[in-house]
Amino acid sequence: GEDVEQSLFLSVREGDSSVINCTYTDSSSTYLYWYKQEPGAGLQLLTYIFSNMDMKQDQRLTVLLNKKDKHLSLRIADTQTGDSAIYFCAERFYNQGGKLIFGQGTELSVKP
Amino acid sequence: NAGVTQTPKFQVLKTGQSMTLQCAQDMNHNSMYWYRQDPGMGLRLIYYSASEGTTDKGEVPNGYNVSRLNKREFSLRLESAAPSQTSVYFCASSEVEGSEQYFGPGTRLTVT
Repeated sequence: GEDVEQSLFLSVREGDSSVINCTYTDSSSTYLYWYKQEPGAGLQLLTYIFSNMDMKQDQRLTVLLNKKDKHLSLRIADTQTGDSAIYFCAERFYNQGGKLIFGQGTELSVKP
Repeated sequence: NAGVTQTPKFQVLKTGQSMTLQCAQDMNHNSMYWYRQDPGMGLRLIYYSASEGTTDKGEVPNGYNVSRLNKREFSLRLESAAPSQTSVYFCASSEVEGSEQYFGPGTRLTVT
């Protein structure tokens, strides 16, 4: 079946690294995404990783994919107060119109 | 480019009333999607349109209808609103079926 799980909350201090975790159950996904949602706003695509990759780095963001454990993580280096938001991971499937299955979202709170 | 726009931003309906949520994109994308977001849950796909002239059901289509009016516009209709449809509704578009999705700012709907 299709299921994506995330922990609901994470709190870090400004300047620390944040690691947001996600687990998924269906191994037929093609891409895995991280979206950011700021209060009252829509979802903004942050980064993505193709399912045959292990790691992707994009400036302060590092995505790690462990296919064996079906575990995805997003590391934000030098976390800033502007990074406070809800972060969603999502799986994309090749069929069904490229349907995205979202996790519940992790609310990241960055304290000064 | 405005990207993906949605109207209205907020709406309050009484049970049994009908309304149409509007979505438009100016990125010349072929595929469009409607999601709902509920507290503690990720986004769930209501309907999608892989290309102009086609629409398909997503995970939670009951109580909704859609129209792909043209390549730019994809509307979502609630024929007889119910309190269970209180949610935030997001429209998204992608260049082709299965490519990265870009989201609108959302419509917050309350049904009393």
